[in-house]
Amino acid sequence: DAGVTQTPRHEVAEKGQTIILKCEPVSGHNDLFWYRQTKIQGLELLSYFRSKSLMEDGGAFKDRFKAEMLNSSFSTLKIQPTEPKDSAVYLCASSSGHQDTQYFGPGTRLLVL
Amino acid sequence: QQKVQQSPESLIVPEGGMASLNCTSSDRNVDYFWWYRQHSGKSPKMLMSIFSNGEKEEGRFTVHLNKASLHTSLHIRDSQPSDSALYLCAASIQSAGNKLTFGIGTRVLVRP
Repeated sequence: DAGVTQTPRHEVAEKGQTIILKCEPVSGHNDLFWYRQTKIQGLELLSYFRSKSLMEDGGAFKDRFKAEMLNSSFSTLKIQPTEPKDSAVYLCASSSGHQDTQYFGPGTRLLVL
Repeated sequence: QQKVQQSPESLIVPEGGMASLNCTSSDRNVDYFWWYRQHSGKSPKMLMSIFSNGEKEEGRFTVHLNKASLHTSLHIRDSQPSDSALYLCAASIQSAGNKLTFGIGTRVLVRP
């Protein structure tokens, strides 16, 4: 079985640009998560989908971050407009369901200049 | 909002030694604790999970849980250089679905 895939692996953006990160969960998994990881804040939840329905949209990240899941095998995270403080690693994870292990993708390293 | 506190921030262990990591949640509704390991430049991978009071052992790794104090600990015996990594503790609440709240992590360095 393929694991979680994420593209691109690296992204460089200018301040104010719009960027879209992509994620394909493990086939058959019902839950999908987007996280941001920085050294100072650690892993922060951005969005949580269950069976394509948005369960949580990460509170503080609402205004410029929008995650979507148009079908069960593909999700996007749009950051608009980007700011230098958005520089981080963005991780996607999926899980088969209730209290089950989350499997992480390789991440997208974003640098905003 | 629930917080997960980990200590120490970093740890240096001699090869063959024991590493002990701690984690506490501030939310009394927490049901499950998870330990993830993240090697440098890689993504986190689940190591062990625990939801019952007591102890669980898998190879060189042992996890303890005290539900009354919402404290869990991870112990690595006979530490190997390949155990050098960031160890992340996470907590989940059954009623909140599969959402995890992560601590900042403990960085472990095993010196040969």
